[in-house]
Amino acid sequence: EDKVVQSPLSLVVHEGDTVTLNCSYEVTNFRSLLWYKQEKKAPTFLFMLTSSGIEKKSGRLSSILDKKELFSILNITATQTGDSAVYLCAVRTGTASKLTFGTGTRLQVTL
Amino acid sequence: GAVVSQHPSWVICKSGTSVKIECRSLDFQATTMFWYRQFPKQSLMLMATSNEGSKATYEQGVEKDKFLINHASLTLSTLTVTSAHPEDSSFYICSARFLGQEDNEQYFGPGTRLTVT
Repeated sequence: EDKVVQSPLSLVVHEGDTVTLNCSYEVTNFRSLLWYKQEKKAPTFLFMLTSSGIEKKSGRLSSILDKKELFSILNITATQTGDSAVYLCAVRTGTASKLTFGTGTRLQVTL
Repeated sequence: GAVVSQHPSWVICKSGTSVKIECRSLDFQATTMFWYRQFPKQSLMLMATSNEGSKATYEQGVEKDKFLINHASLTLSTLTVTSAHPEDSSFYICSARFLGQEDNEQYFGPGTRLTVT
């Protein structure tokens, strides 16, 4: 059974802090790993990672994948209150593009 | 960009009734649509994968006779929760993968919150 585990489950930081969210996986037929941000509704796409060691960056967010150790991290620098959300990691497997989601990390950024 | 819509955005129904949720791709043809369920403070769980013109593939533990999926066209998939019970109350989200896209992320709809009383 495919498994995706995220840590920590929840996190409270002060505005301006840097946070690192972790995602480890154990799946068959790995295709890619995706990060999403979920506020009150459906997840919004952040990154898709397919190759090890290549950092993807978008503003204050960045992510990297390690296919040997089977994990990915999502970094957020200079956090803002608008970053408060649940961050979901999902792994895409097989030809049918099935996504297996982790339980998410609930991030709260306080003033 | 690609947009996926869902209707209704929320619904309250009585126990024993059936509820239909629509998922539409607005700007593209979706070869595959996925239906997820998310209980409070939990992650998204894939229920089924739906390909246009063929029967849906259900995940283990999901009752296909209870959660009827129809994907009659490249822009519309429907999920019908039959004989709904309070334990079916959840956030149902669809996503779509579109024609011609090689290795892409899925585009998610805004979700439908179902409450069964």
